[in-house]
Amino acid sequence: KNEVEQSPQNLTAQEGEFITINCSYSVGISALHWLQQHPGGGIVSLFMLSSGKKKHGRLIATINIQEKHSSLHITASHPRDSAVYICAVRPYSGAGSYQLTFGKGTKLSVIP
Amino acid sequence: SQTIHQWPATLVQPVGSPLSLECTVEGTSNPNLYWYRQAAGRGLQLLFYSVGIGQISSEVPQNLSASRPQDRQFILSSKKLLLSDSGFYLCAWAGNYNEQFFGPGTRLTVL
Repeated sequence: KNEVEQSPQNLTAQEGEFITINCSYSVGISALHWLQQHPGGGIVSLFMLSSGKKKHGRLIATINIQEKHSSLHITASHPRDSAVYICAVRPYSGAGSYQLTFGKGTKLSVIP
Repeated sequence: SQTIHQWPATLVQPVGSPLSLECTVEGTSNPNLYWYRQAAGRGLQLLFYSVGIGQISSEVPQNLSASRPQDRQFILSSKKLLLSDSGFYLCAWAGNYNEQFFGPGTRLTVL
């Protein structure tokens, strides 16, 4: 059974701090997603990666396939970054459909 | 550009009543479509996925069903709602490069 574990579950940071959210998974995967869920519930895809590192603005996502671990970093955090960040993986099953297994999310609150 | 619609945005229903949630996608053809549920305090759970018209796969046994009557329409239904059906329901589709696009969601409360 594929497990996706995120840490921490909750995170409070001061504006400007560097933030790291971690994700570990238990099976081989073909891709990992980082998603952002705002208080209203809407979900936005931030990154999809299968190796290495991706950067978009103040967000950086890294993945270590051998260690089955990924991190999401936020530099110079801002109150508008407050949201739930969700890690999701696609197990390497070779199936035609694209199915994800999700972590429970990390709730980030950035205080001015 | 691709757009995904869901309605209604919120819904309050009594136990035992029927349910119909609709999802439509614009700007793409023959997408893989997904229904997810997010129960309070829990992560997203895949309920159904569809790779084409009339093709539905269920991931978990439950009180719900899904249908895909048209290429870009995906419907989630129930004949009799249970309290445990309360949650946030998200429709999503997978793009050509397997990126996931989510709809705005429907918040269902069963009383």
